[in-house]
Amino acid sequence: EVQLVQSGAEVKKPGESLKISCQGSGYSFTSYWIGWVRQMPGKGLEWMGIIYPADSDTRYSPSFQGQVTISADKSISTAYLQWSSLRASDTAMYYCARREISGSRDAFDIWGQGTMVTVSS
Amino acid sequence: DIQMTQSPSSVSASVGDRVTITCRASQGISSWLAWYQQKPGKAPKLLIYAASSLQSGVPSRFSGSGSGTDFTLTISSLQPEDFATYYCQQANSFPHTFGQGTKLEIK
Repeated sequence: EVQLVQSGAEVKKPGESLKISCQGSGYSFTSYWIGWVRQMPGKGLEWMGIIYPADSDTRYSPSFQGQVTISADKSISTAYLQWSSLRASDTAMYYCARREISGSRDAFDIWGQGTMVTVSS
Repeated sequence: DIQMTQSPSSVSASVGDRVTITCRASQGISSWLAWYQQKPGKAPKLLIYAASSLQSGVPSRFSGSGSGTDFTLTISSLQPEDFATYYCQQANSFPHTFGQGTKLEIK
């Protein structure tokens, strides 16, 4: 079964650092981009950035550039999203998703279950 | 960035109704458009890619159309499980922005 499994919920204080993960299985991890999507409480989906694990080519949304770091370890089929200094406004659900590119298809076809990050003093 | 604008933001409908949701891009994106369905507490699910191609396993009552800047998602006969929030997403250029969502509620 093709799946992305994300790390568990986190509760952090402002200023702390955090790294959440997304592990792929059931497919060739290095053949697909992995994207990260933020969903703040009660709000819509926001595209944060994307990485190609084979060569770590990474693209960020200007809205998130410099605010987060996306990385991947292809040896363990895992992508990461990290913060060096969390803010309360980072409180959100974070999804990873696999980008399927084939012919005319370019979309997130497989999604992780989400990681809830709560930042509160 | 390409801005994606959905309308309406919310819609009320009954089981069996036909519903259409619109998505407009701030610049031309050819057919690089996907539609997703999200139910409360769940991850989004891909419904349509390339503006009009049905993802495997998605019921045929869902259909998409459009190209350039204007797109539609149509549900031909609403079923109880279709009440959810729907998002469009452009894949023409990074960042692959989403629309703000359309909440489909039971009338």
